[in-house]
Amino acid sequence: KAGVTQTPRYLIKTRGQQVTLSCSPISGHRSVSWYQQTPGQGLQFLFEYFSETQRNKGNFPGRFSGRQFSNSRSEMNVSTLELGDSALYLCASSLIQGGETQYFGPGTRLLVL
Amino acid sequence: AQSVSQHNHHVILSEAASLELGCNYSYGGTVNLFWYVQYPGQHLQLLLKYFSGDPLVKGIKGFEAEFIKSKFSFNLRKPSVQWSDTAEYFCAVKGGGSYIPTFGRGTSLIVHP
Repeated sequence: KAGVTQTPRYLIKTRGQQVTLSCSPISGHRSVSWYQQTPGQGLQFLFEYFSETQRNKGNFPGRFSGRQFSNSRSEMNVSTLELGDSALYLCASSLIQGGETQYFGPGTRLLVL
Repeated sequence: AQSVSQHNHHVILSEAASLELGCNYSYGGTVNLFWYVQYPGQHLQLLLKYFSGDPLVKGIKGFEAEFIKSKFSFNLRKPSVQWSDTAEYFCAVKGGGSYIPTFGRGTSLIVHP
């Protein structure tokens, strides 16, 4: 069974631009969560989607948004990029909302210049 | 809010040495506990988890962790580390009715051959 895939793997943007990251969960998994990983803050929860609805949201500004499609694939969007948005963005999937075990993708490394 | 502390930020060991990584959390109710590992260049993967039952949990690659409720701790142990254990280790906790796991900031382990 294929694992969680994320595209693109690497991205370079400049301040003020916007970016869209994509995540395809493990087949059959309906919940997708997004995390931001930085050396200083570790892993911080962004949001979780289940059945095309945002179910939980972390403490991030409204510039960070997401959505989930009927096939459970999810996208995350960051608008008006800031230097501090440079991070590894991880996607994790689980069978159900708040699933006991999450399976992580390889991440998208975003660099904002 | 739930918080997770990993006291050792960087650990350097020689092969065959014993390992213990500390993890303490703040919530006093029912919790689900996890240890994840991130090998260099690879995605985050689950080492072991505790939901209920025997507080001594065995995971993959010879790792184990002990849940001590009175100490709010879930320390990770391995009796004899190998060079291939070099990685970043993250403790995570879910509790208080929240579906959202809180991660510690991680411990970087370097094992010298």
